Amino acid sequence: KNQVEQSPQSLIILEGKNCTLQCNYTVSPFSNLRWYKQDTGRGPVSLTIMTFSENTKSNGRYTATLDADTKQSSLHITASQLSDSASYICVVSGENQAGTALIFGKGTTLSVSS
Amino acid sequence: DGGITQSPKYLFRKEGQNVTLSCEQNLNHDAMYWYRQDPGQGLRLIYYSQIVNDFQKGDIAEGYSVSREKKESFPLTVTSAQKNPTAFYLCASSQRLAENYEQYFGPGTRLTVT
Repeated sequence: KNQVEQSPQSLIILEGKNCTLQCNYTVSPFSNLRWYKQDTGRGPVSLTIMTFSENTKSNGRYTATLDADTKQSSLHITASQLSDSASYICVVSGENQAGTALIFGKGTTLSVSS
Repeated sequence: DGGITQSPKYLFRKEGQNVTLSCEQNLNHDAMYWYRQDPGQGLRLIYYSQIVNDFQKGDIAEGYSVSREKKESFPLTVTSAQKNPTAFYLCASSQRLAENYEQYFGPGTRLTVT
């Protein structure tokens, strides 16, 4: 069964600290993996999208890594800010699947405190 | 929110009433989607449309209906047949239906049925 598992479920860190969120998936064959940021009560906003051949991608203070062999991805946030408080969702797409076949993780809720 | 608007932001209805959620996009995208988000769960696909005058059921279509009369618009009707309609509803669009196209999300509509 195609699944996307994210850990931890929630995380609290102090402003200025770094953190890493994990995503494990069983989707096969694999096409791409996306990370979204979703502020409370808002729609998700794309952070990165990585294909099979990419093993790292950055977007400002956000760096995503992908290991297609172990089917694992991580999202590293550097020098966290209060505005980073949100839910981070990992989404995986299978090869030759329509955009309707996206598998969404349940998300990691990050709280950044001052 | 990537040129996608959803209205209203909050919607309250009595049980047994049908309600229609609006979704409009100005991105000239062919494909549009409706998702439902419940606490602690990943997004689930309700309906999708690949092109004008065409739409298909997603994973949880029971109790919902849609139309796609214009490229820019993809309204969702939550009918009285939907057993648990209270949820956060997200509309999304992508240039095409294929898995490698980015999906852009609207700001969402929170529906509460009592």
